[in-house]
Amino acid sequence: IAGITQAPTSQILAAGRRMTLRCTQDMRHNAMYWYRQDLGLGLRLIHYSNTAGTTGKGEVPDGYSVSRANTDDFPLTLASAVPSQTSVYFCASSGSEGNEQFFGPGTRLTVL
Amino acid sequence: GQNIDQPTEMTATEGAIVQINCTYQTSGFNGLFWYQQHAGEAPTFLSYNVLDGLEEKGRFSSFLSRSKGYSYLLLKELQMKDSASYLCAVMDSNYQLIWGAGTKLIIKP
Repeated sequence: IAGITQAPTSQILAAGRRMTLRCTQDMRHNAMYWYRQDLGLGLRLIHYSNTAGTTGKGEVPDGYSVSRANTDDFPLTLASAVPSQTSVYFCASSGSEGNEQFFGPGTRLTVL
Repeated sequence: GQNIDQPTEMTATEGAIVQINCTYQTSGFNGLFWYQQHAGEAPTFLSYNVLDGLEEKGRFSSFLSRSKGYSYLLLKELQMKDSASYLCAVMDSNYQLIWGAGTKLIIKP
């Protein structure tokens, strides 16, 4: 692995289903982030983690949860998907808060 | 509220120079970032400014005026591969990035 990986690349999901988006980094970065990107809008922060074992809410956290059990992994869970969660989801990491962020390739999620 | 403004779309000619502006109003300021994003891909880091002035990096330069809440990204000797969206982002007092909607740059031969 080099950098950040995300899985799956894309997914079509029925409304009401539970879904976990995976994110793994191998750069030993302390901080990790989940964003969603929608057409015509800037990237919006969903949740973040400044270090393993801690998480925080971003601008649009409702309907999403995260965990940070170790440095490398930062999964994002949609407990019960709704169509408004159709978006492209990017995971990012940085050496510490305040540093430049490196992005994964993204997950394109469609909720029907 | 917090706000980042940048033009939605710009068009320029191959070999020319283009300036993409960004104005911001945020709660606190811990630096301004520019990212490039090609269609269907992830954003990639271009530049970081925390002090007033111009930062030059090859064909790309970025300028910051904190008193005016203003930055620009200058791209010289434009190439077709520079066709992309350019994202302006400000790090606020909580060290979270506030993002503009991005400027789609179209390069014509």
